[in-house]
Amino acid sequence: SQQGEEDPQALSIQEGENATMNCSYKTSINNLQWYRQNSGRGLVHLILIRSNEREKHSGRLRVTLDTSKKSSSLLITASRAADTASYFCATGDYNQGGKLIFGQGTELSVKP
Amino acid sequence: DGGITQSPKYLFRKEGQNVTLSCEQNLNHDAMYWYRQDPGQGLRLIYYSQIVNDFQKGDIAEGYSVSREKKESFPLTVTSAQKNPTAFYLCASSIVGRSSGTGELFFGEGSRLTVL
Repeated sequence: SQQGEEDPQALSIQEGENATMNCSYKTSINNLQWYRQNSGRGLVHLILIRSNEREKHSGRLRVTLDTSKKSSSLLITASRAADTASYFCATGDYNQGGKLIFGQGTELSVKP
Repeated sequence: DGGITQSPKYLFRKEGQNVTLSCEQNLNHDAMYWYRQDPGQGLRLIYYSQIVNDFQKGDIAEGYSVSREKKESFPLTVTSAQKNPTAFYLCASSIVGRSSGTGELFFGEGSRLTVL
């Protein structure tokens, strides 16, 4: 079962613009994570936000979490062509046996 | 260098054959996972293991089997019972924290299986 649903499915922007991706989930969570995947490669962890946190920053990344709405957003500021990739949210809850459930992903294209 | 190694990167299989995908990690992680990814889709969990000699079915375990005889290794066998095995398979590992849920996953580079 897919926990997260991401929006939009695809996003195309110009270099220098900001990119915002949203993730909604259904059940209780201990944390929510964002990953990046370049075409044909494995996923790379970007950032983890715990259920008692509301916002977290890492470089050009800003993640927010609203547990009352069961949603999260990932903002990439001042995007670069190298940010072109698919971005996935994933939710973790130890009560689910320690497994991580992934959303469908947002495909981001940053045009130079 | 620490990390996860998957092999082979590309694999072709004839219908009716079993194939085994290798996954090895030297991160000393307790938990290991297998995910399947279809084109344009997210990741679906096949099997996972939090400790040696123990593993649990994920959401799409039918037609797959695993073993966890060593902490470092978690091979996945795609059996002939899997009706649509052509996909990209990803192995991952993590530290499992009881108080904070599943931590960061470290992924291998994937194995692409094509059934001819």
